[in-house]
Amino acid sequence: GIQVEQSPPDLILQEGANSTLRCNFSDSVNNLQWFHQNPWGQLINLFYIPSGTKQNGRLSATTVATERYSLLYISSSQTTDSGVYFCAVHTGDYKLSFGAGTTVTVRA
Amino acid sequence: NAGVTQTPKFQVLKTGQSMTLQCAQDMNHNSMYWYRQDPGMGLRLIYYSASEGTTDKGEVPNGYNVSRLNKREFSLRLESAAPSQTSVYFCASSRLGGGTTSTDTQYFGPGTRLTVL
Repeated sequence: GIQVEQSPPDLILQEGANSTLRCNFSDSVNNLQWFHQNPWGQLINLFYIPSGTKQNGRLSATTVATERYSLLYISSSQTTDSGVYFCAVHTGDYKLSFGAGTTVTVRA
Repeated sequence: NAGVTQTPKFQVLKTGQSMTLQCAQDMNHNSMYWYRQDPGMGLRLIYYSASEGTTDKGEVPNGYNVSRLNKREFSLRLESAAPSQTSVYFCASSRLGGGTTSTDTQYFGPGTRLTVL
Protein backbone atom coordinates (compact mmCIF):
# COMPACT_ATOMS: atom_id res chain seq x y z
CA GLY A 1 0.00 0.00 0.00
CA ILE A 2 0.88 3.64 -0.19
CA GLN A 3 3.42 4.95 2.30
CA VAL A 4 2.93 8.36 3.93
CA GLU A 5 5.90 9.85 5.77
CA GLN A 6 5.79 12.99 7.85
CA SER A 7 8.70 15.04 9.12
CA PRO A 8 9.85 16.06 11.57
CA PRO A 9 8.27 13.67 14.10
CA ASP A 10 8.48 16.31 16.84
CA LEU A 11 8.76 20.08 16.79
CA ILE A 12 9.16 22.49 19.70
CA LEU A 13 8.50 26.13 18.96
CA GLN A 14 8.61 29.37 20.85
CA GLU A 15 5.41 31.35 20.58
CA GLY A 16 5.57 33.61 17.55
CA ALA A 17 7.90 31.37 15.54
CA ASN A 18 7.19 30.05 12.05
CA SER A 19 7.50 26.39 11.01
CA THR A 20 7.10 24.01 8.07
CA LEU A 21 5.83 20.45 8.29
CA ARG A 22 6.38 18.05 5.42
CA CYS A 23 4.40 15.08 4.08
CA ASN A 24 5.87 12.73 1.45
CA PHE A 25 3.84 9.98 -0.19
CA SER A 26 5.01 7.03 -2.22
CA ASP A 27 2.43 6.85 -5.02
CA SER A 28 -0.05 8.93 -6.97
CA VAL A 29 -2.97 10.10 -4.89
CA ASN A 30 -6.34 11.59 -5.72
CA ASN A 31 -6.27 14.06 -2.91
CA LEU A 32 -4.76 14.99 0.41
CA GLN A 33 -6.00 16.28 3.75
CA TRP A 34 -4.22 17.95 6.67
CA PHE A 35 -5.65 17.53 10.18
CA HIS A 36 -4.86 18.96 13.58
CA GLN A 37 -5.47 16.68 16.56
CA ASN A 38 -5.76 18.89 19.61
CA PRO A 39 -4.66 17.85 23.11
CA TRP A 40 -8.21 16.62 23.80
CA GLY A 41 -7.99 14.17 20.90
CA GLN A 42 -10.36 15.91 18.52
CA LEU A 43 -9.45 15.76 14.83
CA ILE A 44 -9.95 19.06 13.07
CA ASN A 45 -9.94 19.42 9.30
CA LEU A 46 -7.39 21.99 8.17
CA PHE A 47 -7.09 21.60 4.42
CA TYR A 48 -8.34 19.44 1.59
CA ILE A 49 -5.70 20.16 -1.03
CA PRO A 50 -5.06 18.06 -4.16
CA SER A 51 -2.61 20.57 -5.60
CA GLY A 52 -1.61 24.19 -5.35
CA THR A 53 -1.70 26.39 -2.29
CA LYS A 54 -4.44 27.25 0.18
CA GLN A 55 -4.42 29.60 3.13
CA ASN A 56 -6.55 29.80 6.23
CA GLY A 57 -5.48 32.48 8.66
CA ARG A 58 -2.00 31.74 9.96
CA LEU A 59 -1.93 28.34 8.33
CA SER A 60 -1.25 27.55 4.70
CA ALA A 61 -0.61 24.37 2.73
CA THR A 62 1.00 23.54 -0.58
CA THR A 63 0.73 20.24 -2.43
CA VAL A 64 2.94 19.31 -5.38
CA ALA A 65 1.29 16.09 -6.49
CA THR A 66 3.71 15.45 -9.36
CA GLU A 67 6.58 15.40 -6.86
CA ARG A 68 4.54 13.57 -4.20
CA TYR A 69 4.79 15.93 -1.28
CA SER A 70 2.80 18.47 0.66
CA LEU A 71 3.89 21.20 3.09
CA LEU A 72 2.00 22.77 5.97
CA TYR A 73 3.15 26.19 7.12
CA ILE A 74 2.40 27.60 10.56
CA SER A 75 3.17 31.28 10.95
CA SER A 76 3.31 33.29 14.19
CA SER A 77 2.64 30.14 16.20
CA GLN A 78 0.43 30.26 19.29
CA THR A 79 0.10 27.85 22.20
CA THR A 80 -3.27 26.76 20.79
CA ASP A 81 -1.41 25.38 17.76
CA SER A 82 0.02 22.61 19.95
CA GLY A 83 -1.04 19.07 19.11
CA VAL A 84 -0.40 16.50 16.42
CA TYR A 85 -0.62 17.36 12.73
CA PHE A 86 -1.56 14.54 10.40
CA CYS A 87 -1.31 14.29 6.67
CA ALA A 88 -3.66 11.78 5.03
CA VAL A 89 -3.93 10.83 1.38
CA HIS A 90 -6.90 9.62 -0.64
CA THR A 91 -6.21 6.80 -3.05
CA GLY A 92 -9.56 6.82 -4.81
CA ASP A 93 -10.93 3.72 -3.16
CA TYR A 94 -12.46 5.43 -0.12
CA LYS A 95 -9.32 4.91 1.87
CA LEU A 96 -7.55 7.62 3.76
CA SER A 97 -3.98 6.56 4.53
CA PHE A 98 -2.48 8.52 7.42
CA GLY A 99 1.07 9.44 8.23
CA ALA A 100 2.37 8.98 11.77
CA GLY A 101 2.01 12.69 12.48
CA THR A 102 4.17 15.59 13.65
CA THR A 103 3.82 16.51 17.33
CA VAL A 104 4.04 20.28 17.73
CA THR A 105 4.61 21.91 21.11
CA VAL A 106 4.39 25.70 21.24
CA ARG A 107 5.87 27.25 24.39
CA ALA A 108 4.77 30.59 25.75
CA ASN B 1 -25.88 20.66 13.01
CA ALA B 2 -23.90 18.32 15.28
CA GLY B 3 -21.77 16.80 12.49
CA VAL B 4 -20.52 13.33 13.46
CA THR B 5 -21.41 12.07 16.92
CA GLN B 6 -20.15 8.96 18.71
CA THR B 7 -21.22 7.10 21.81
CA PRO B 8 -19.89 6.25 24.30
CA LYS B 9 -16.92 8.58 24.88
CA PHE B 10 -15.15 6.13 27.17
CA GLN B 11 -15.54 2.39 27.79
CA VAL B 12 -13.71 -0.25 29.80
CA LEU B 13 -14.29 -3.90 28.94
CA LYS B 14 -12.98 -7.20 30.21
CA THR B 15 -11.45 -9.67 27.77
CA GLY B 16 -14.18 -11.61 26.02
CA GLN B 17 -16.95 -9.07 26.56
CA SER B 18 -18.83 -7.62 23.61
CA MET B 19 -19.97 -4.10 22.85
CA THR B 20 -21.18 -1.85 20.06
CA LEU B 21 -19.86 1.60 19.29
CA GLN B 22 -22.45 3.92 17.81
CA CYS B 23 -21.92 6.64 15.20
CA ALA B 24 -24.36 9.03 13.59
CA GLN B 25 -24.00 11.92 11.14
CA ASP B 26 -26.49 14.63 10.28
CA MET B 27 -24.81 15.96 7.12
CA ASN B 28 -26.66 13.65 4.69
CA HIS B 29 -23.34 12.06 3.75
CA ASN B 30 -23.24 8.86 1.72
CA SER B 31 -20.02 7.33 3.02
CA MET B 32 -19.10 6.44 6.59
CA TYR B 33 -15.91 5.01 8.09
CA TRP B 34 -14.48 3.47 11.25
CA TYR B 35 -10.83 4.04 12.18
CA ARG B 36 -8.66 3.11 15.14
CA GLN B 37 -5.77 5.15 16.49
CA ASP B 38 -3.04 3.51 18.53
CA PRO B 39 -0.43 5.47 20.51
CA GLY B 40 2.13 7.23 18.33
CA MET B 41 0.40 6.23 15.13
CA GLY B 42 -1.93 7.70 12.59
CA LEU B 43 -5.42 6.35 12.07
CA ARG B 44 -6.02 3.03 10.36
CA LEU B 45 -9.21 2.14 8.54
CA ILE B 46 -11.21 -0.76 10.01
CA TYR B 47 -14.35 -0.79 7.82
CA TYR B 48 -16.17 1.60 5.60
CA SER B 49 -19.59 1.94 3.98
CA ALA B 50 -19.75 3.68 0.60
CA SER B 51 -23.54 3.81 0.65
CA GLU B 52 -26.50 2.63 2.66
CA GLY B 53 -26.62 -1.15 2.60
CA THR B 54 -22.97 -1.75 1.69
CA THR B 55 -19.92 -2.33 3.84
CA ASP B 56 -16.30 -3.20 3.01
CA LYS B 57 -13.18 -4.16 4.90
CA GLY B 58 -10.41 -1.69 5.45
CA GLU B 59 -6.85 -2.21 6.57
CA VAL B 60 -7.47 -3.84 9.98
CA PRO B 61 -10.93 -5.55 10.00
CA ASN B 62 -10.17 -8.65 12.07
CA GLY B 63 -12.16 -8.88 15.29
CA TYR B 64 -14.78 -6.33 14.22
CA ASN B 65 -18.16 -6.27 12.53
CA VAL B 66 -20.13 -3.30 11.25
CA SER B 67 -23.71 -2.41 10.39
CA ARG B 68 -24.90 0.46 8.24
CA LEU B 69 -28.30 0.78 9.90
CA ASN B 70 -29.50 3.59 7.64
CA LYS B 71 -27.94 6.56 5.89
CA ARG B 72 -27.25 8.34 9.21
CA GLU B 73 -25.92 5.54 11.40
CA PHE B 74 -22.93 3.20 11.21
CA SER B 75 -22.10 0.94 14.17
CA LEU B 76 -18.96 -1.01 15.04
CA ARG B 77 -19.23 -4.22 17.07
CA LEU B 78 -16.58 -6.07 19.02
CA GLU B 79 -17.90 -9.60 19.55
CA SER B 80 -15.19 -10.80 21.92
CA ALA B 81 -12.93 -7.98 23.01
CA ALA B 82 -9.18 -8.53 23.31
CA PRO B 83 -6.49 -6.34 24.94
CA SER B 84 -5.08 -5.69 21.44
CA GLN B 85 -8.28 -3.78 20.68
CA THR B 86 -7.48 -1.16 23.30
CA SER B 87 -7.45 1.99 21.20
CA VAL B 88 -9.24 5.20 20.34
CA TYR B 89 -11.95 4.64 17.75
CA PHE B 90 -13.01 7.36 15.34
CA CYS B 91 -16.01 7.44 13.06
CA ALA B 92 -15.98 9.65 9.96
CA SER B 93 -18.26 10.52 7.06
CA SER B 94 -17.94 12.08 3.62
CA ARG B 95 -20.40 13.37 1.07
CA LEU B 96 -19.45 11.28 -1.93
CA GLY B 97 -20.14 7.59 -2.30
CA GLY B 98 -22.09 5.02 -4.22
CA GLY B 99 -19.32 3.84 -6.51
CA THR B 100 -17.83 7.12 -7.64
CA THR B 101 -14.06 7.23 -7.90
CA SER B 102 -13.97 10.80 -6.72
CA THR B 103 -12.92 11.67 -3.21
CA ASP B 104 -14.15 14.21 -0.73
CA THR B 105 -13.30 15.64 2.65
CA GLN B 106 -13.82 13.25 5.55
CA TYR B 107 -15.24 14.68 8.77
CA PHE B 108 -14.43 12.99 12.04
CA GLY B 109 -16.33 12.43 15.25
CA PRO B 110 -14.84 13.06 18.72
CA GLY B 111 -13.70 9.47 19.25
CA THR B 112 -14.34 6.66 21.74
CA ARG B 113 -11.53 5.68 24.09
CA LEU B 114 -11.77 1.92 24.67
CA THR B 115 -9.72 -0.05 27.18
CA VAL B 116 -9.82 -3.85 27.24
CA LEU B 117 -8.46 -5.41 30.42
